[in-house]
Amino acid sequence: DTAVSQTPKYLVTQMGNDKSIKCEQNLGHDTMYWYKQDSKKFLKIMFSYNNKELIINETVPNRFSPKSPDKAHLNLHINSLELGDSAVYFCASSRIRGVSGNTIYFGEGSWLTVV
Amino acid sequence: AQTVTQSQPEMSVQEAETVTLSCTYDTSESNYYLFWYKQPPSRQMILVIRQEAYKQQNATENRFSVNFQKAAKSFSLKISDSQLGDTAMYFCAFMQGGSEKLVFGKGMKLTVNP
Repeated sequence: DTAVSQTPKYLVTQMGNDKSIKCEQNLGHDTMYWYKQDSKKFLKIMFSYNNKELIINETVPNRFSPKSPDKAHLNLHINSLELGDSAVYFCASSRIRGVSGNTIYFGEGSWLTVV
Repeated sequence: AQTVTQSQPEMSVQEAETVTLSCTYDTSESNYYLFWYKQPPSRQMILVIRQEAYKQQNATENRFSVNFQKAAKSFSLKISDSQLGDTAMYFCAFMQGGSEKLVFGKGMKLTVNP
């Protein structure tokens, strides 16, 4: 069973479109994240949610809107896609907020290409 | 702000040999956690090993071990008996105590040759 699953795994779309990436975790974790890995493989956090509440927003453009319908799901919606949004987006989760040093478990990534 | 530096962009090693991947970090905090993640060609981010800063003993996980030098702010990963399946990008990461944010280094590409 996949612990953190994302869909779609691959997405090619045109500039200006709106797209969503879905994420679900079956680990019973309270905190979920979105990380972005750019073309140089650099990974950086975008958002984190704890039990549906936004905790971290790393100055991401407001074209990116995360939505957490429940603590097992964290979706990422991107409006007006730009070429620079091309990247691999990783969903992740961890166990309990506030317990220092919780291990973060990653999904397989969603490879977004904007043309 | 914390930073993580992986100065070697790429390394190669022969199968069955031992290789050490270097990582340094910068922080003024005393409570933090360090991680190594592996990203094979499949792109999945896989946790390799984790170290708590308050622990003096170096973490080990089977063929993987770390050399944690707190004063030097160094956190190297040693892979013993390298296997072809160890071929991947390796990322060193830092998490401040009380935070949920992982700060990653730029990664290092390791190739294990037969």
